[in-house]
Amino acid sequence: DAGVIQSPRHEVTEMGQEVTLRCKPISGHDYLFWYRQTMMRGLELLIYFNNNVPIDDSGMPEDRFSAKMPNASFSTLKIQPSEPRDSAVYFCASSSPGLAWDTGELFFGEGSRLTVL
Amino acid sequence: TQLLEQSPQFLSIQEGENLTVYCNSSSVFSSLQWYRQEPGEGPVLLVTVVTGGEVKKLKRLTFQFGDARKDSSLHITAAQPGDTGLYLCAGNTNAGKSTFGDGTTLTVKP
Repeated sequence: DAGVIQSPRHEVTEMGQEVTLRCKPISGHDYLFWYRQTMMRGLELLIYFNNNVPIDDSGMPEDRFSAKMPNASFSTLKIQPSEPRDSAVYFCASSSPGLAWDTGELFFGEGSRLTVL
Repeated sequence: TQLLEQSPQFLSIQEGENLTVYCNSSSVFSSLQWYRQEPGEGPVLLVTVVTGGEVKKLKRLTFQFGDARKDSSLHITAAQPGDTGLYLCAGNTNAGKSTFGDGTTLTVKP
């Protein structure tokens, strides 16, 4: 079975450019999470969706960040304009019905490594 | 804010040695997960513990959830180079999101 699929795996861009990260969750999972991982701050939750609806976006750093989930099989995380401090590995994770609420088990993608110059 | 503190932050040992890493919090969690992350990959779930005092074994790995469900430990027996990686604990409070610790980076030298 395919796991969580993220693209691109690596992105290098210049400050001020728009960045769009993509995620395809595991089929049948109705929770989707976006995390950011850095050496300084570890793994931080940015936003999560349930049945395509954003539930908690309190972790989104600022208005430059936005996330959408137009359907059950696709989500995007957009940064506009990007800044060097946004450099990090961005992970998408999904969870099956009931599990996220009851036990918090997450299935992660391989991540998108973003470098903003 | 629910904080999960992991210790030690870094651990380097020889193959065959035993080790224990810890995950501590002042908050009570309904469940706790341990993940292992290898370079260039996402975290992979190892185990979930739910009941206070629960002990789970996964081959050479033994996981324990504290009686008060505030802390957990991971013990590895006879570590192997394949155990090398970043070990993350994550606490869940039935709020639909997990809080992750900063991780323990384990290096097992052959």
